[in-house]
Amino acid sequence: DVKVTQSSRYLVKRTGEKVFLECVQDMDHENMFWYRQDPGLGLRLIYFSYDVKMKEKGDIPEGYSVSREKKERFSLILESASTNQTSMYLCASRGTAVTDTQYFGPGTRLTVL
Amino acid sequence: DAKTTQPPSMDCAEGRAANLPCNHSTISGNEYVYWYRQIHSQGPQYIIHGLKNNETNEMASLIITEDRKSSTLILPHATLRDTAVYYCIVTSGGSNYKLTFGKGTLLTVNP
Repeated sequence: DVKVTQSSRYLVKRTGEKVFLECVQDMDHENMFWYRQDPGLGLRLIYFSYDVKMKEKGDIPEGYSVSREKKERFSLILESASTNQTSMYLCASRGTAVTDTQYFGPGTRLTVL
Repeated sequence: DAKTTQPPSMDCAEGRAANLPCNHSTISGNEYVYWYRQIHSQGPQYIIHGLKNNETNEMASLIITEDRKSSTLILPHATLRDTAVYYCIVTSGGSNYKLTFGKGTLLTVNP
């Protein structure tokens, strides 16, 4: 079974802190994604990566950056956390075949105070 | 990607079949129908997908109408653990596609 793990299930940070969210997948997938999920807004794509060191902006990249130094690991960075970044963050990975499925991690619920 | 329409909520008795409908009248020929579910405070879980033929796996069955404008996800024997929000997504796939989740259907399985 595909496994996507995220470094923390719950995280509390203060405004202005730099925050790192880590995601690791064990299926040698080329594609990895970071979403955030907020009530009433559904899932929104922040960034995705289609290969090591390659990244593309999603729908809401402002205030975030990403890093993919190794194929299995995709990090989301909040350069200076703000209260409006309080959210559930979901990582996903996927292979390259047209019908490949996107597999999600358990999510990190981040609270910025 | 085509838009989907799902009822906001449904109830089902434990042990009975749950039939979750989805309308996707603007689906195009190369678009697949995917179903995911999300149990409260967890990441979405893939259930099943199909193009035009009916599909079955260990979790569920997917029935797609002949004109492909609608589909039904069937959980044959619903359990309390199947209570979740179910999302129907239509997408053409490709290596860099993103998933657009609508509001889904909250399925509540009652004892």
